[in-house]
Amino acid sequence: KNEVEQSPQNLTAQEGEFITINCSYSVGISALHWLQQHPGGGIVSLFMLSSGKKKHGRLIATINIQEKHSSLHITASHPRDSAVYICAVDTGTASKLTFGTGTRLQVTL
Amino acid sequence: DVKVTQSSRYLVKRTGEKVFLECVQDMDHENMFWYRQDPGLGLRLIYFSYDVKMKEKGDIPEGYSVSREKKERFSLILESASTNQTSMYLCASTPWGAEAFFGQGTRLTVV
Repeated sequence: KNEVEQSPQNLTAQEGEFITINCSYSVGISALHWLQQHPGGGIVSLFMLSSGKKKHGRLIATINIQEKHSSLHITASHPRDSAVYICAVDTGTASKLTFGTGTRLQVTL
Repeated sequence: DVKVTQSSRYLVKRTGEKVFLECVQDMDHENMFWYRQDPGLGLRLIYFSYDVKMKEKGDIPEGYSVSREKKERFSLILESASTNQTSMYLCASTPWGAEAFFGQGTRLTVV
């Protein structure tokens, strides 16, 4: 069993829909990261969380440490949000990350 | 803006060649990482370094080595490239306990 599990693996939404991507992990962590990868490969950090909730524009990330679960929400989705969203956990050893396999999001008009 | 720059976007190499992938960061970060990314497997850690001349094996170090002679530069070396090393390679850097910054990736094909 992977230490970091994401769901769903693939997601198709229409423009304007509210989107939720889930991440569960099985190890102790110092922080959880949400990353975005567009076609072409580059990865961008969206959030780093150790508790509670963070918001940036239309993106909201939450974490429940007791339940070992995090969610990434996208409000009013747009085709430019189409990307792979990756959850990663920092177990506290030299900032090494362990990654989920990603959620591929396609937002259509 | 922090920049992590990988030397090549695409590389094609022959089986048995020695391959160098270079990564440079401009923000004086202590920690640097090399990952490979394969469909269905996500990113996996090959090697990391938390200081100049320091290196630690990650989860899949076999067939690879690294070099960090200067703080800003972390090189990944494929000693004798094989077809199963065809992959996307991503470099990242981070200060302690902070968000990671990634390079644009190098798509390596070994033929």
